[in-house]
Order: sequence, then structure tokens, then C-alpha cells
Amino acid sequence: GAVVSQHPSWVICKSGTSVKIECRSLDFQATTMFWYRQFPKQSLMLMATSNEGSKATYEQGVEKDKFLINHASLTLSTLTVTSAHPEDSSFYICSTPSMNTEAFFGQGTRLTVV
Amino acid sequence: QKEVEQDPGPLSVPEGAIVSLNCTYSNSAFQYFMWYRQYSRKGPELLMYTYSSGNKEDGRFTAQVDKSSKYISLFIRDSQPSDSATYLCAMTNTGNQFYFGTGTSLTVIP
Repeated sequence: GAVVSQHPSWVICKSGTSVKIECRSLDFQATTMFWYRQFPKQSLMLMATSNEGSKATYEQGVEKDKFLINHASLTLSTLTVTSAHPEDSSFYICSTPSMNTEAFFGQGTRLTVV
Repeated sequence: QKEVEQDPGPLSVPEGAIVSLNCTYSNSAFQYFMWYRQYSRKGPELLMYTYSSGNKEDGRFTAQVDKSSKYISLFIRDSQPSDSATYLCAMTNTGNQFYFGTGTSLTVIP
């Protein structure tokens, strides 16, 4: 099946710094990339949808200036958490639908802001 | 009403048992149904993918979709300790937006 590679798998950063998370589609072109956030023992919460070459669409309540998404190519989408604070600590996961419509996920990034 | 409802569990079974996991949904437009397995601190891994109603079997896993009842199931036969994980159901109509259940936490006891 399709593979989505997400890096880093975990990161610890100081409050006020920025963190970039990358998701690469390895064997197909990812026109669309979903970015999710997941808190412990909870389901996935969609943050934003990015489409290659256009601006991302953010879900209600998600600050677009804080969570910067770039989808400049068909194989790479990035999420940058700017001026991170402890409340941004969470598990971030990217996902992209394949040609057959099923969604494939990255390995996830555990962000801890101290 | 949530788009997708899933009992969060936790569910605990002895090794070798048959496990039944279920989701209900409200949107009759959903056509594609998926089950994911998620280990702690890992991204969800696609287990089963089904289009429209019917059954699909893959090894010890069987997925069932009943669109008339808006009900999907995942059965795990001869459950193993390595099956211990959280299982998420997901569905979509076009692939432009996915709807997820909250996940069911499963523990298989040796």
C-alpha cells in the first residue's frame, strides 16, 4: 500500500520556538494532505486540509497563523507550529487519500513543548 | 449527533477469543469504510478497506458493512496479544473528508 513518511517521530522544544513537521508520500502523488491532532485516548481531530499549490483550509478554531501549512509539491507537505506553547503538546499526524480513496497515515509526531 | 459513533471500550479478551468491534454512522452518503489499528504513540495503520455493503476477509480479520442499518463491524478471530491496540473506524463518501470513530481500546490477555 501507499506509504507516507512523517518526520520527526518525536520532538521536544522550548516554549516560544517553532517546530516543523514533514510528511512525504513515497510512492504516489499526494494532491491532498490532511493534518490531524490527537490527544491521549481521543480520536483524530482534523486541523487543516492542504492541497498542492494552494492555500490550506483550516478547521474552525485552528489558528492558521500558528499552524503554518505548506504543500508546495505533490510529495511533500509541512506543518510548522510557530511560537509553540505547552498547550500545543500533542500527537500530530498527517494523512493522504490514495487513488482508491482509503486514507494512509504518517507515523505521527509527538510534540512536547517545555 | 456525531457522524460516527464507536464504543471506546476498553475491551479486554483472553487470547484466542473472537473480537467484535462496531461503529454506527448517520450519513447515508458514506461509500468507503476503513478500519485502522493504532498502537500507542504510532500513526494509524490501515487494516481493512471496504467499498459499499458486504463482507471482506483478510486472514484473521473480517470487515462487514451493512449500509441499510448504517453499521460496520470488524471481527478478529483467534485474537493474539499483538492485536492489543486501539481500533479506529473511518468512512468517507468522496475521499475529500474522512470521519473517524473515537477508537476502541482492545487488550488481548495471554
